[in-house]
Order: sequence, then C-alpha cells, then structure tokens
Amino acid sequence: ETGVTQTPRHLVMGMTNKKSLKCEQHLGHNAMYWYKQSAKKPLELMFVYSLEERVENNSVPSRFSPECPNSSHLFLHLHTLQPEDSALYLCASSQEVVVTYEQYFGPGTRLTVT
Amino acid sequence: AQSVTQPDIHITVSEGASLELRCNYSYGATPYLFWYVQSPGQGLQLLLKYFSGDTLVQGIKGFEAEFKRSQSSFNLRKPSVHWSDAAEYFCAVGRGIRKGGSQGNLIFGKGTKLSVKP
Repeated sequence: ETGVTQTPRHLVMGMTNKKSLKCEQHLGHNAMYWYKQSAKKPLELMFVYSLEERVENNSVPSRFSPECPNSSHLFLHLHTLQPEDSALYLCASSQEVVVTYEQYFGPGTRLTVT
Repeated sequence: AQSVTQPDIHITVSEGASLELRCNYSYGATPYLFWYVQSPGQGLQLLLKYFSGDTLVQGIKGFEAEFKRSQSSFNLRKPSVHWSDAAEYFCAVGRGIRKGGSQGNLIFGKGTKLSVKP
C-alpha cells in the first residue's frame, strides 16, 4: 500500500449503530487530519493530530470520537449519528502540522446515515 | 476571518479550449494559497501552491496560477484542456506556518466542478 488509505470506502449505518472509520498513512508523516466533505459546502476540518496528540478540534459533536494510536493510524469512531452526518469523510496526512507541508489525502469513506 | 470564494460552481469547456477558474480569498496577512483537484471517487491532490516570490506559479498537469494581491485573487489556468481534466477543483488558503494548533490548517472554497465537452 502507498500513500493514504481509508477503510471502508462506503458505509451505511443506522442512527443507533456504532461504527469506526480507519485511516492509514504509509508516508512517514507526523500529522494526520479528518475532514468532512458535504454537498455544496466547503471541506470542513474536524480534527488534527500531531505525533498522536490532538491539536485541533473544530467544535465537532461528541458523537464523533477520534483516536490516533500511533502516527500512522487514525480512527474516527461514530455513534448515534444523524442523517445530516451523511457525507464523504476524508483523511489526510502531512509531514508536520505546518501549512507549508503538502497534505496528502486518502480516497475517503462515503457515509450514509439512515 | 479567513475565507475563500470560488464564484463558479460548474464550468463546461470544450476539449482543447483554455480554462480559467476563479478564486478570491480574504486573509489579513500574506496568504499561503493552494489549488487541489478531486477526481470522482478520489481524494484531493495538490496541483500547485504559492507562498512567496514569483506571482505566477507552475503546477502539475500543465496548470498554472497567478497571485494578484491587489485583487485578492489566485486564479487557476490551463491553456488547453484535456478530457481527463474533468474533476472538481478546490482553492484553499493556509493560516500560518507555526507548528501546532490551528497554525497549519487550510480553509477551502466550495469548489468548481469542471466538465469537458468532446
């Protein structure tokens, strides 16, 4: 595997389910990000991790719970989601949490909440 | 607050024609500017970036962009579009270069979808 991978690519879940999204980067980077991409809205930054420490949480509802066990892996745990949470969830990584370092994106997980 | 505006939601051009995608930003200091492309079913890929220096920057796939401070713009151009350029294009501004916190984050525009006619 190369670059940034995300699993699953598609997920359908009910409002009472618990599921997790997984992201893995094979680039040796120290920073990882979760973004939410909804139709007709700008890409929204959700969480930022630097060396497994969360450095940014952009007022994301508590039904989204991130986890970064090491610098290569990032999870987004989901529970009791709402239909408006349906979106494409993108993971990205960069060398450092510094804007001059390019962010590399995974292909995303398309989430549908029913 | 920083913001990015991409005024065109959807643009259609003929293959071989020239392309210009507009981007306007609002930022109090010297901006760090980016263009990303997203093909269907894919994540975002960096096309080019501007930090300082020459205001005309070259990127991958034959794209270029020009930074115009007086107009707060960073428009993306390509002289001859190929069918494979059909995708969604995102302009973004970076908030700073200090490590940690919000200093390394990007603010994205809503995107412009490009369709290419044969």
